[in-house]
Amino acid sequence: IVLAQSPDTLSLSPGERATLSCRASQSVSSTYLAWYQQKPGQTPRLLIYGASSRATGIPDRFSGSGSGPDFTLTISRLEPEDFAVYYCQQFSNSPGYTFGQGTRLEMK
Amino acid sequence: QVQLQESGPGLVKPSGTLSLTCTVSGGSISSSNWWSWVRQPPGKGLEWIGEIYHSGSTNYRSSLRSRVTISVDKSKSQFSLKLTSVTAADTAIYYCARVRGQWRFFEYWGQGTLVTVSS
Repeated sequence: IVLAQSPDTLSLSPGERATLSCRASQSVSSTYLAWYQQKPGQTPRLLIYGASSRATGIPDRFSGSGSGPDFTLTISRLEPEDFAVYYCQQFSNSPGYTFGQGTRLEMK
Repeated sequence: QVQLQESGPGLVKPSGTLSLTCTVSGGSISSSNWWSWVRQPPGKGLEWIGEIYHSGSTNYRSSLRSRVTISVDKSKSQFSLKLTSVTAADTAIYYCARVRGQWRFFEYWGQGTLVTVSS
């Protein structure tokens, strides 16, 4: 299963709304769809699991939605610390886990 | 708080074997979770390598299956990765991670260790 994220790069300003897309090449269970944030030199950080459940400690400006094959991560009002690379990830019995190629969210 | 720590050589010769160990603390390696290896080539995206359950059951990425072995040592609270016949394409940051059992997401990550394949 291939996960295609769009756009590759998103240029926005603090305070704006960010919408990131993740499209699977075949249907994916919402139970097994997660989103991560990764900043340079850091480990990926879990944001969303089960397509729409926020992980512990994640601000409520982050939200996830969608169902197979289309999923969305929304950041309602961007803070300076939100500029990073975002990955979606899915699990299925075959081929196991796959990640999208990532969306780079950069400050305009 | 669960913590994971990777250890192993940072430099491996081409055609050699990459060997890494992940030590788990703050939680039981025998809990109802899978334990995974994920890698990230410099400047690129994330790639899952494989996973192991405390029972010893394993799942591997199909493209790496012929070269990968993941094992667990419950007495040391460790799990390990061996990747044979390495090439420059295997140069990456290697992360170990705990997978939340029923949701299958990567809940806790090690800090990662850079392994370079070079002569």
